[in-house]
Amino acid sequence: AQSVTQLDSHVSVSEGTPVLLRCNYSSSYSPSLFWYVQHPNKGLQLLLKYTSAATLVKGINGFEAEFKKSETSFHLTKPSAHMSDAAEYFCVVSPAAGNKLTFGGGTRVLVKP
Amino acid sequence: ETGVTQSPTHLIKTRGQQVTLRCSSQSGHNTVSWYQQALGQGPQFIFQYYREEENGRGNFPPRFSGLQFPNYSSELNVNALELDDSALYLCASSLVGGTHNTDTQYFGPGTRLTVL
Repeated sequence: AQSVTQLDSHVSVSEGTPVLLRCNYSSSYSPSLFWYVQHPNKGLQLLLKYTSAATLVKGINGFEAEFKKSETSFHLTKPSAHMSDAAEYFCVVSPAAGNKLTFGGGTRVLVKP
Repeated sequence: ETGVTQSPTHLIKTRGQQVTLRCSSQSGHNTVSWYQQALGQGPQFIFQYYREEENGRGNFPPRFSGLQFPNYSSELNVNALELDDSALYLCASSLVGGTHNTDTQYFGPGTRLTVL
């Protein structure tokens, strides 16, 4: 069984300040982990993925995430928020290649000017 | 853009009716997964099709059914619609098997279904 918990349902940051979105996972296997972003009225876009290579994963648009097995965490960060980062972010776990994705409940990010 | 397309973009049905949603996968992909995203929630896995066979199913009743065609496009059918079926339905395609095994799923824009 697998599950994902996103610790914050909403995060508000000022433009130019760091963003931290927290995610904890539970999996019976060595999982693949993802972050997806969903802008209003749009589909899901892949930001980055972890598949047992380097524990620090770099993604698109300046985002990165660090896999910490001992803490079962996969937090997403960005050094400097931009107005275009306002969206919903989902942490996702998959037990094996091609298998079903299990989504967290999402974190809505608001960026203030 | 992921190359995954879905139709229609919006749909309004009444309770008890049946609906068919369509998905065209990204070129070269052989697997399609369907997800239901209720308002304010994360997507929930419905089922997956690999080479025209169902390859895993989530906690959804049998009135949710699907098909995958030889060109790897797919349909999601829902019978006897209920009010709680109102949601955004997302499909995702991926390439599984062979020398290019990957677990990255690429999503379409979704179909917004409203049941009245």
